[in-house]
Amino acid sequence: DADVTQTPRNRITKTGKRIMLECSQTKGHDRMYWYRQDPGLGLRLIYYSFDVKDINKGEISDGYSVSRQAQAKFSLSLESAIPNQTALYFCATSDSVRAQQFFGPGTRLTVL
Amino acid sequence: AQSVTQLDSQVPVFEEAPVELRCNYSSSVSVYLFWYVQYPNQGLQLLLKYLSGSTLVKGINGFEAEFNKSQTSFHLRKPSVHISDTAEYFCAVSEGTDKLIFGTGTRLQVFP
Repeated sequence: DADVTQTPRNRITKTGKRIMLECSQTKGHDRMYWYRQDPGLGLRLIYYSFDVKDINKGEISDGYSVSRQAQAKFSLSLESAIPNQTALYFCATSDSVRAQQFFGPGTRLTVL
Repeated sequence: AQSVTQLDSQVPVFEEAPVELRCNYSSSVSVYLFWYVQYPNQGLQLLLKYLSGSTLVKGINGFEAEFNKSQTSFHLRKPSVHISDTAEYFCAVSEGTDKLIFGTGTRLQVFP
């Protein structure tokens, strides 16, 4: 079984709709991250959380919100989706000892 | 602030030829350095990492990278590529066990 899972894997939605992307991990890591990937721009950090009570904005947090429901779960919400939020979204985890991050398979989001 | 520059957005190469993917970073403190690979329609997988110690780091699938502090570089090399190495490669930097800053990626295309 995958250590970091993301649901849904693909989603098409309309402008103005609220959408939630979910991430779960079984690695027991305390740190979780949300990135978006756009062609030619690499991965950019949206939000990150170092434990359940810690939420931090990343480089591009505008238009997004997150919820850390438990150590193993970290959700990303788009309150009112817009077309330029069309991207590939990745969740990642790490522990507080090693710097290495482990990535989920990604969610491809299309906003029409 | 940290930044990562991947100098080549695309690198075409014939099978069994050597390849070097370039990565330069800027940071005023000691850093951890990473190379991740993304195969088509998949998430990111760690190729190798430099945390400390020997400046020559060996990773999976025959890849290696050399940390050069004076040139602030962490170039990725493979002496003989295979068709299966076709993928996008991302260099990333962190200032400790913290969030990663990614480069914009290099697409390696291996031709028969």
